[in-house]
Amino acid sequence: DARVTQTPRHKVTEMGQEVTMRCQPILGHNTVFWYRQTMMQGLELLAYFRNRAPLDDSGMPKDRFSAEMPDATLATLKIQPSEPRDSAVYFCASGPRLAENTGELFFGEGSRLTVL
Amino acid sequence: DQQVKQNSPSLSVQEGRISILNCDYTNSMFDYFLWYKKYPAEGPTFLISISSIKDKNEDGRFTVFLNKSAKHLSLHIVPSQPGDSAVYFCAAKYDAGNNRKLIWGLGTSLAVNP
Repeated sequence: DARVTQTPRHKVTEMGQEVTMRCQPILGHNTVFWYRQTMMQGLELLAYFRNRAPLDDSGMPKDRFSAEMPDATLATLKIQPSEPRDSAVYFCASGPRLAENTGELFFGEGSRLTVL
Repeated sequence: DQQVKQNSPSLSVQEGRISILNCDYTNSMFDYFLWYKKYPAEGPTFLISISSIKDKNEDGRFTVFLNKSAKHLSLHIVPSQPGDSAVYFCAAKYDAGNNRKLIWGLGTSLAVNP
């Protein structure tokens, strides 16, 4: 059963610490997305990759956030330094090529981040 | 400015009855509309979609209706079951050059009571 895998599922850290979240997209999917879910903003797009190349990171605070795909099986989202306002659930999603036309994505279970 | 709006944060219906979830949008460039379902502590899962060139799409108990003139879509669940209790997100896609943009509503929490 193919699925998007995210680690860690939960992370509690102190302000100023570095946080790295990892995602393994579904094999064969060529698009990968990082979303942040908050109560007030809903699902916000942070980064979007196609064939490992970043296409859109306009929603990501560039001063502290970075997203990469070192290879086709791994996407990372890093926050350095973390702040309490970064507390949220971070979702990774992947999609096959056709999904770029239809918007159908497969989501991981999310990484819940709490920054104290 | 929210381009995709789900004005009802929550909805409660009786098992066996119809659930109707609504979504309004403002951008005429959206070419696909989707509904995702989310259970607590899980990621959203795709439920059903509709192309902007259609006005209805049906999949089992789920039907999505699109009214382009009103910039409104709705998801009908008939009959509703307790397992349908979840948060439902409306999303809309448009092409921005080489990028595909997916814009999300804030969600509607559906409770189906036995």
